[in-house]
Amino acid sequence: AQSVAQPEDQVNVAEGNPLTVKCTYSVSGNPYLFWYVQYPNRGLQFLLKYITGDNLVKGSYGFEAEFNKSQTSFHLKKPSALVSDSALYFCAVRDSGAGSYQLTFGKGTKLSVIP
Amino acid sequence: GAGVSQSPSNKVTEKGKDVELRCDPISGHTALYWYRQSLGQGLEFLIYFQGNSAPDKSGLPSDRFSAERTGGSVSTLTIQRTQQEDSAVYLCASSLGQATFGSGTRLTVV
Repeated sequence: AQSVAQPEDQVNVAEGNPLTVKCTYSVSGNPYLFWYVQYPNRGLQFLLKYITGDNLVKGSYGFEAEFNKSQTSFHLKKPSALVSDSALYFCAVRDSGAGSYQLTFGKGTKLSVIP
Repeated sequence: GAGVSQSPSNKVTEKGKDVELRCDPISGHTALYWYRQSLGQGLEFLIYFQGNSAPDKSGLPSDRFSAERTGGSVSTLTIQRTQQEDSAVYLCASSLGQATFGSGTRLTVV
C-alpha cells in the first residue's frame, strides 16, 4: 500500500526566511508526486508535481520541491517566505504503474509565516 | 466547464436522513476522486473512478456510503442514514495528470 508522511503538523517561519515543508512517501513502483495548498475555507490548489526528469521541480508562487529517490522524499521549499504563504500544505503520491490511479495524501502541514 | 463543480456547497441535514452530493468533473478527465476532510484534518480517501474500470471503493467508511459515476462524467456520492460523525467537507477531484479539486460540499448533520 502506498503512503505519505508529513512529519510536521505545523511549521513556523519568519517572513523573508527560507521555508521547508517535509514529505516522505512509500510506493511500490516509481512515484508521481504532488504538492497542493489549501487556504482557509478554500479547496485545494495544485502547486507542483514530479513525474520524471529533473529532480528539482519549480511550481506556482515561487515554490519548488526536490525529489530524492534514495531518501524517498519530496520536500517543498521556498527561498523567501511571505505572510500570504500561510496555509495548509498537502503532499500526495501516485504509483506511476499502468492502471494505477490511487492518489494518497499526507495529513497536511500548517505553515505560519510570521511578519 | 472550466473547473470541477460540486453541489450543494453547503448541506445541513437531520441525523438519519439520506443525502446526495454531486460532482461535475472537468470534461475529458478520466479519473474522478472523492475525499473527506474533517475539521482541521487531512484528506481521507473515499473512492475513485477511472474510465470504465470498476471503481476503487476501498476508502468508503461503511456500507452507508456509495457512489456512482454516470456516463463517465457526473458523479454522485450518497450517504444513507446520516450520522453526526459524517459531518465534514466532501471534496471531489478529477484528473488527467494532476488532480483538480472542486470547492467541496460542507455537510453538517444535526
